Amino acid sequence: GQSLEQPSEVTAVEGAIVQINCTYQTSGFYGLSWYQQHDGGAPTFLSYNALDGLEETGRFSSFLSRSDSYGYLLLQELQMKDSASYFCAVEKAAGNKLTFGGGTRVLVKP
Amino acid sequence: ETGVTQSPTHLIKTRGQQVTLRCSSQSGHNTVSWYQQALGQGPQFIFQYYREEENGRGNFPPRFSGLQFPNYSSELNVNALELDDSALYLCASSSQGLAGELFFGEGSRLTVL
Repeated sequence: GQSLEQPSEVTAVEGAIVQINCTYQTSGFYGLSWYQQHDGGAPTFLSYNALDGLEETGRFSSFLSRSDSYGYLLLQELQMKDSASYFCAVEKAAGNKLTFGGGTRVLVKP
Repeated sequence: ETGVTQSPTHLIKTRGQQVTLRCSSQSGHNTVSWYQQALGQGPQFIFQYYREEENGRGNFPPRFSGLQFPNYSSELNVNALELDDSALYLCASSSQGLAGELFFGEGSRLTVL
């Protein structure tokens, strides 16, 4: 079967660091994306990793290990506006047909 | 640059009815994908259209069908609606040169009674 596993919920305080792990088991693998979705809003793209290693974009970083079928999203200097659901998604073949995980709800407290 | 727009934003149907949802892709994007997102879950891939042809399909029955037009806008049609079809339907446009990056619309929330 095909599956992506990520924690259902994480709670942290403003200024803290949160790491959201994603393990995947899919029939093919081309790359791993991360999306943010606020309640009632559209998913918005955060990052994409096709090769092993860390990609940094401002306060958010994403990591991929293809050999371990594992990636994570690192949220630094948490702000209240970061309260949202975060989804990892696997691109199994070229063409942007993504398989999404169930999402991790991040709650940032003052 | 115009983003992805979807219509209608909300609609209510009854079991057995048919529905058509519409999507205008982001300027310059020739690929449109449709996703179904049930409450509290991740988006599930329905199908993708590229240059007016279906270019991949997820695990959805044939009563889910679609179209893409020459201007790259798209429609999702669902026949014989079932209660479990109640969900947020998301349209996403993309460009072949931007791997893993989808631009989503705000979605159409369908309630089937």
